[in-house]
Amino acid sequence: NAGVTQTPKFRILKIGQSMTLQCTQDMNHNYMYWYRQDPGMGLKLIYYSVGAGITDKGEVPNGYNVSRSTTEDFPLRLELAAPSQTSVYFCASVRDSSGEQFFGPGTRLTVL
Amino acid sequence: GESVGLHLPTLSVQEGDNSIINCAYSNSASDYFIWYKQESGKGPQFIIDIRSNMDKRQGQRVTVLLNKTVKHLSLQIAATQPGDSAVYFCAENPHTDKLIFGTGTRLQVFP
Repeated sequence: NAGVTQTPKFRILKIGQSMTLQCTQDMNHNYMYWYRQDPGMGLKLIYYSVGAGITDKGEVPNGYNVSRSTTEDFPLRLELAAPSQTSVYFCASVRDSSGEQFFGPGTRLTVL
Repeated sequence: GESVGLHLPTLSVQEGDNSIINCAYSNSASDYFIWYKQESGKGPQFIIDIRSNMDKRQGQRVTVLLNKTVKHLSLQIAATQPGDSAVYFCAENPHTDKLIFGTGTRLQVFP
């Protein structure tokens, strides 16, 4: 199993550009999450999904959108990038809500 | 000893000593707790977990202690090694679909 994979690893965006951060897991996990982590800080939940076709907002959803058309994929969309979205983004997955979450390696995004 | 860094509290220990990292959790309904290790430039990695029906759980060189009375969780690392240098996060599951993460503690190991 590859576990949780994320692409790209790094990206620089200009203000107002859009992009999609990709997340894929091959563990047949139902639950998937997107977090952002600012330098020296903890994890903040952006969006999560408890199964294909179901998504819900986390703590900091503004400026982001998600979709979950398959069990494996949970892309995160930034429509109008802003400097405040400069961060490291982590995707995570878990089989159900009672287990530990498995994290991807992260995407480091800079918005200039 | 402990000190408050720019954003994260930092624990500095000498190689070979034992480390204790503490975490106060917020929700008395939480029944599942996890410790994660995050090395620089990497995603969080699972270390050990514990359920609320236990007070203590041991892994390889790590022990987690749970005190439900005061809502406190600790991670003990025996014979700390340079490779243990990282940020450590506790997380709790309060019977929801989401984990609540602590702010993290940076562990620095010096020779």
